[in-house]
Amino acid sequence: ELKVEQNPLFLSMQEGKNYTIYCNYSTTSDRLYWYRQDPGKSLESLFVLLSNGAVKQEGRLMASLDTKARLSTLHITAAVHDLSATYFCAVDEHFGNEKLTFGTGTRLTIIP
Amino acid sequence: DTAVSQTPKYLVTQMGNDKSIKCEQNLGHDTMYWYKQDSKKFLKIMFSYNNKELIINETVPNRFSPKSPDKAHLNLHINSLELGDSAVYFCASRRDTTQETQYFGPGTRLLVL
Repeated sequence: ELKVEQNPLFLSMQEGKNYTIYCNYSTTSDRLYWYRQDPGKSLESLFVLLSNGAVKQEGRLMASLDTKARLSTLHITAAVHDLSATYFCAVDEHFGNEKLTFGTGTRLTIIP
Repeated sequence: DTAVSQTPKYLVTQMGNDKSIKCEQNLGHDTMYWYKQDSKKFLKIMFSYNNKELIINETVPNRFSPKSPDKAHLNLHINSLELGDSAVYFCASRRDTTQETQYFGPGTRLLVL
């Protein structure tokens, strides 16, 4: 069974600082997704990573994928309060069926 | 225009009742999904349908039955509701290409008393 682990589970950081969220998974996959969820809201797609070495950036967020290490990172640069949310990674274990297994989520709080 | 919509948004009901949640997508997507998010925010897939055909059927109680009348709709019927069914249920949809992500609906917050 595919396991997807994120760390940290909770992250409190000051505005302006940099930090990284890690997503490890247990079986071979080259498709990984990052989502954002605000409290009481739905999930918003952030990044789709489809190959080893993929790197994508949007604003202060940058995501990367290392399929050999079975690791994805979500890097936050110069955090701002608006980035406070829960971030999920999700791994597709059956190419084509898109059966996503989600990580535990990282609740990020940016302190002014 | 809402891309993936769910009704109702909130559902409060008694144990033992039967209830349905409806999902519709106007994106022309091929595959639709149901997920359950528990109180610890853990998300788990329940079902997926591709063009009205059941593709993914995870280990969920058979009290849960999905129905897809057409490609744009995927409903979830729950029989004999139990306390443990309390959760947020998300519908999602996706176009069948390798570059596409899943688009999630707003969620249905189910509380079983």
